[in-house]
Amino acid sequence: EAGVVQSPRYKIIEKKQPVAFWCNPISGHNTLYWYLQNLGQGPELLIRYENEEAVDDSQLPKDRFSAERLKGVDSTLKIQPAELGDSAVYLCASSWQGNTEAFFGQGTRLTVV
Amino acid sequence: QQQVKQSPQSLIVQKGGISIINCAYENTAFDYFPWYQQFPGKGPALLIAIRPDVSEKKEGRFTISFNKSAKQFSLHIMDSQPGDSATYFCAARGSQGNLIFGKGTKLSVKP
Repeated sequence: EAGVVQSPRYKIIEKKQPVAFWCNPISGHNTLYWYLQNLGQGPELLIRYENEEAVDDSQLPKDRFSAERLKGVDSTLKIQPAELGDSAVYLCASSWQGNTEAFFGQGTRLTVV
Repeated sequence: QQQVKQSPQSLIVQKGGISIINCAYENTAFDYFPWYQQFPGKGPALLIAIRPDVSEKKEGRFTISFNKSAKQFSLHIMDSQPGDSATYFCAARGSQGNLIFGKGTKLSVKP
């Protein structure tokens, strides 16, 4: 069974440019998470979906970040415009339900120059 | 209230030794306490987890000790191996179902 798939693995963009990350969760997993992991830090939740509904987006900086999970499967996280401080690893995770084990993808390492 | 505090930040252990990583929390509503292992360039992977009604859980060389009254829990890695060298994160799950992670411990096991 395939794990959580994220793309791209690496992205380098100039500040003020837009960027998007894609996540394909494990088949059958209803809950999808986007986490931000700064260097030397633990992951921090950005948004959690239950199927296609964003049930917790309280930590998502909505002035520049947006996310969607159409049809309750794949998800896209977008930043527009990117800032230097957005340089980090963006992790996607999924679980069968919100209170079961979460499986993480390999992440997308974003560098904003 | 939502923080999980993890120590030490880094740890060097000789092969065959015991690695101990500690975490503390404040929110008594947390109901699930996993430990994740992360290798460079990879996402975190669940290592072992415990619920607050259990004081200890062992899986192979990995043991979680849980002290509910002290609001502390720890990971013990017995017979540490160079392949265990990684960053370890403790976490706690809140009532919303979200995981709150500690800042991580970078473990180096010297041969």
